[in-house]
Amino acid sequence: AQKITQTQPGMFVQEKEAVTLDCTYDTSDQSYGLFWYKQPSSGEMIFLIYQGSYDEQNATEGRYSLNFQKARKSANLVISASQLGDSAMYFCAMREGSTGRRALTFGSGTRLQVQP
Amino acid sequence: SQTIHQWPATLVQPVGSPLSLECTVEGTSNPNLYWYRQAAGRGLQLLFYSVGIGQISSEVPQNLSASRPQDRQFILSSKKLLLSDSGFYLCAWSRGELRLRRGANVLTFGAGSRLTVL
Repeated sequence: AQKITQTQPGMFVQEKEAVTLDCTYDTSDQSYGLFWYKQPSSGEMIFLIYQGSYDEQNATEGRYSLNFQKARKSANLVISASQLGDSAMYFCAMREGSTGRRALTFGSGTRLQVQP
Repeated sequence: SQTIHQWPATLVQPVGSPLSLECTVEGTSNPNLYWYRQAAGRGLQLLFYSVGIGQISSEVPQNLSASRPQDRQFILSSKKLLLSDSGFYLCAWSRGELRLRRGANVLTFGAGSRLTVL
């Protein structure tokens, strides 16, 4: 079974509007972390935001916020006031805590295109 | 501050030739190190990770290998490349201790190495 599922291969949004990128995850661990990364066309992976399974509040970082719904096992990324520079691939990732494994498992990504 | 260097940035190699990609981290000690591969238009697949010198965990059986000869150096190698080895290879590091609270040890990636096997 997929650990991380991103069901939107591509999304379009108008500049200055908000957009939500979906992410659902599968784990039996009680302790885990969820990450979002941005990958522009240059290929670099840029960390955006993190949510821990025990964090009671949704994470926010500037224009990025994470809509964390633990019971639904979803961790959607919300980008407010989209900018042209937000056009990129976005990846959701998870680290499970029970095994002490440090590596992240990534989803297949969503390509976001911001239109002027 | 910490920086991660990865090279070469681009590589075109014939089938059957050897491969060596190198990654080094500066400004930290005893990092966890990772090699991921990304096929065109796809997500990242973990290949290897290391929690210390000489300690390598392999995630996917393939003709690739990894080595960590020094604390902050991670090398991805192959003796004979296959066409299916083409892709974008990313090295990453994170802090040595495992943290799952806020400020968790984020993976920081290098700029990547784009490998084309012909």
